[in-house]
Amino acid sequence: AQSVTQLDSQVPVFEEAPVELRCNYSSSVSVYLFWYVQYPNQGLQLLLKYLSGSTLVKGINGFEAEFNKSQTSFHLRKPSVHISDTAEYFCAVRGSPSGNTPLVFGKGTRLSVIA
Amino acid sequence: DAGITQSPRYKITETGRQVTLMCHQTWSHSYMFWYRQDLGHGLRLIYYSAAADITDKGEVPDGYVVSRSKTENFPLTLESATRSQTSVYFCASSLETNTGELFFGEGSRLTVL
Repeated sequence: AQSVTQLDSQVPVFEEAPVELRCNYSSSVSVYLFWYVQYPNQGLQLLLKYLSGSTLVKGINGFEAEFNKSQTSFHLRKPSVHISDTAEYFCAVRGSPSGNTPLVFGKGTRLSVIA
Repeated sequence: DAGITQSPRYKITETGRQVTLMCHQTWSHSYMFWYRQDLGHGLRLIYYSAAADITDKGEVPDGYVVSRSKTENFPLTLESATRSQTSVYFCASSLETNTGELFFGEGSRLTVL
């Protein structure tokens, strides 16, 4: 079964600094990869997804992620964070593009942006 | 308004009582899911449903029951609540394609005393 490891449970960063949230997944022939964001007291919403094609994926709010098959990673980056980016971020994987197997989520990374 | 709604948003109950969390979506999405969110565990899938009258177990189904008699509703029942079921529960839905975008409700915070 697919699994996802988010390497950092908490990441504090100063406002306007760059940030990288790390995600590794267990290997599979092909995968779909996702990043979701959860703002306080809300449900999750999709930030970006990798299905195929270009390994650099751009999402909402200035975030981007790079799919690296050889390292089985899908790290999320933003060049300059804002206070409003404070949230919990979840990496998720779907291991088989056929059928509709549910997403498997990582345990989350709490991003705290410090003024 | 269109979307996915959960009720109640907050619930306190006692050990041994039956509790039902409701989930309703207006998009006619085929797939619906129940996750629980706990500190240190992230989101774990409880049950999911591919269509009306079709349900499947997820990672942590024990102690939970689901039904899906109508496409738009997917209630989750705790038949005899335990303290370990204190959690935040999220319902989600998606189109029948497997491109992965889930649409989440705002969550139901359940406390079992």
